[in-house]
Amino acid sequence: EVQLLESGGGLVQPGGSLRLSCAASGFTFSSYAMSWVRQAPGKGLEWVSAISGSGGSTYYADSVKGRFTISRDNSKNTLYLQMNSLRAEDTAVYYCAKDPQAYSSSSGVDYWGQGTLVTVSS
Amino acid sequence: DIVMTQTPLSLSVTPGQPASISCKSSQSLLHSDGKTYLYWYLQKPGQPPQLLIYEVSNRFSGVPDRFSGSGSGTDFTLKISRVEAEDVGVYYCMQSIQLPWTFGQGTKVEIK
Repeated sequence: EVQLLESGGGLVQPGGSLRLSCAASGFTFSSYAMSWVRQAPGKGLEWVSAISGSGGSTYYADSVKGRFTISRDNSKNTLYLQMNSLRAEDTAVYYCAKDPQAYSSSSGVDYWGQGTLVTVSS
Repeated sequence: DIVMTQTPLSLSVTPGQPASISCKSSQSLLHSDGKTYLYWYLQKPGQPPQLLIYEVSNRFSGVPDRFSGSGSGTDFTLKISRVEAEDVGVYYCMQSIQLPWTFGQGTKVEIK
């Protein structure tokens, strides 16, 4: 059974930093691209970032480019999102998401984690 | 960016009756590999999204056969043949042919 468990969310001041983690199990982690998708309170879904299975390719939404860094540790089956220079508009639930296709650079989402809430406020 | 437009934005359905949601993309979602990268998700209240349909018309594992997807190019439809109480929530379409992946605004389905 595929399981994705996010952690690391919380309250942070504008301009601050936070690192999210996503522990994956139930599949061969290194074979699948992974993504982060966020959802502001009461709003729709917004793709944030993706990374290939090897970690060699990374992709970002313009809204976070230069501030967020996606990475992965395949030896630990863990995905990360380092978030710097946080803004109020980054407040959202952040979901970790798995790609449906093995060995794809990124092609979509089949499984989602439960999400972790990030609140940026003074 | 590819714009995804869903209609309607809300739907109130009597149990046992059909429902249909439209999703239109601003560009074709047909890839050179022959696949069309259009997904449908349902987000039940208080839960993360869950995959219903991938590549336009393929039901994901465990998804009841009352859900079906159709369409091509830029026009897509999700149909529920007989709505049940457990189908309430917000339905999203998503394109993943081009980064950034983009979602429709969501269609809220409630039971009458």
